[in-house]
Amino acid sequence: EVQLVESGGGLVQPGGSLRLSCAASGITVRTNHMTWVRQAPGKGLEWVSVIYSGTSTYYADSVKGRFTISRDNSKNILFLQMTSLKAEDTAVYYCARAWDYFSGMDVWGQGTTVTVSS
Amino acid sequence: DIQMTQSPSSLSASVGDRVIITCRASQTIGSYLNWYQQKAGKAPKLLLYGASTLQSGVPSRFSGSGSGTDFTLTISSLQPEDFATYFCQQSFSSPRTFGPGTKVDIK
Repeated sequence: EVQLVESGGGLVQPGGSLRLSCAASGITVRTNHMTWVRQAPGKGLEWVSVIYSGTSTYYADSVKGRFTISRDNSKNILFLQMTSLKAEDTAVYYCARAWDYFSGMDVWGQGTTVTVSS
Repeated sequence: DIQMTQSPSSLSASVGDRVIITCRASQTIGSYLNWYQQKAGKAPKLLLYGASTLQSGVPSRFSGSGSGTDFTLTISSLQPEDFATYFCQQSFSSPRTFGPGTKVDIK
């Protein structure tokens, strides 16, 4: 079964750090284009970051310099390292995969919630 | 960055209605446009990619059209399970921006 399972969310103080994980089964993280998308409470979807099947990475301006996307090919896990967290980073974070450079995202995780608050 | 807009932001419709949602990109994106459906508390679901290609398992009452900057999602006959929020997303360039969403609820 193709599945993505996120973990690592929680409550963190402003300025703090958190690392999200996305464990993949049935698909290979290394050969797909893996993305993080977030959704603030009551808001729309915001694209956060992608790591392509090569090594290229891209970030939304809102997280550039603070978030780092990476993957562990041996464990088939995608990560999102988040630092200098702000209240506006509070959201449900989803990982998703695109099977092609220009394709949509057809497999999504269930999401993990990050709350940034003092 | 490419900005995506959608209209309307919300609509009320009845079962059996034909529903049309539009999406516009701030610059040409060819046919690299995807549509997602999201229900409350759930992850988004890919409906169409490449502007008009139906994702496997998606009912044929969903269709998409357009290229360049203007796109539409059509639901030919709204079903009870279609009440949800719909998002467009461009996959032409990074960041792969989403539209703000269109909420479809029951009239």
